Amino acid sequence: SQQGEEDPQALSIQEGENATMNCSYKTSINNLQWYRQNSGRGLVHLILIRSNEREKHSGRLRVTLDTSKKSSSLLITASRAADTASYFCATAVTGGGNKLTFGTGTQLKVEL
Amino acid sequence: EPEVTQTPSHQVTQMGQEVILRCVPISNHLYFYWYRQILGQKVEFLVSFYNNEISEKSEIFDDQFSVERPDGSNFTLKIRSTKLEDSAMYFCASSRSIGTQSNQPQHFGDGTRLSIL
Repeated sequence: SQQGEEDPQALSIQEGENATMNCSYKTSINNLQWYRQNSGRGLVHLILIRSNEREKHSGRLRVTLDTSKKSSSLLITASRAADTASYFCATAVTGGGNKLTFGTGTQLKVEL
Repeated sequence: EPEVTQTPSHQVTQMGQEVILRCVPISNHLYFYWYRQILGQKVEFLVSFYNNEISEKSEIFDDQFSVERPDGSNFTLKIRSTKLEDSAMYFCASSRSIGTQSNQPQHFGDGTRLSIL
């Protein structure tokens, strides 16, 4: 797999349900960041989790990081129609300065 | 909340022409980046910039590309002789600092959609 691959590629849920997206990466990282992108728009930063952290919360968002498995998950609880967007993980690779390597993204659709 | 702003939102240019994409990073940020996203593909790193010089660049960032911080607020990406394959969304980003100790997030603008005809 490539550095930063999200799973699933697409996810469709009902409003109020939880959405879980996963990200896998290959190399050692300094941090992993999750971004949201609405169609045709820019990337909105959601959460940054450092390599020595295992879990972070921000509002309805929960991010976990397992460096032994080189994977991360983003959980959105009580989803809303406004959460419909593409979600990307991006890694800052150890020794790679601060450039971000983005994944392929998960397209989330939250239906009313 | 402070934002990264990019202009124009959409640029249409003839192949072979020069194009300059403009960005105003967040005012207290010190590190600046350009990324691009070809339609349907991943976001790709182009270049990072700090203290008036390039910190890192990708293989994509060849001699046709250049970056500049012409004044205290703007950060520009120039493509000297555009090709069809340069058509993409170009994103500017900024962050306060880099390094393992700081781990600051990068904040992105809304992008410039560049269409080469």
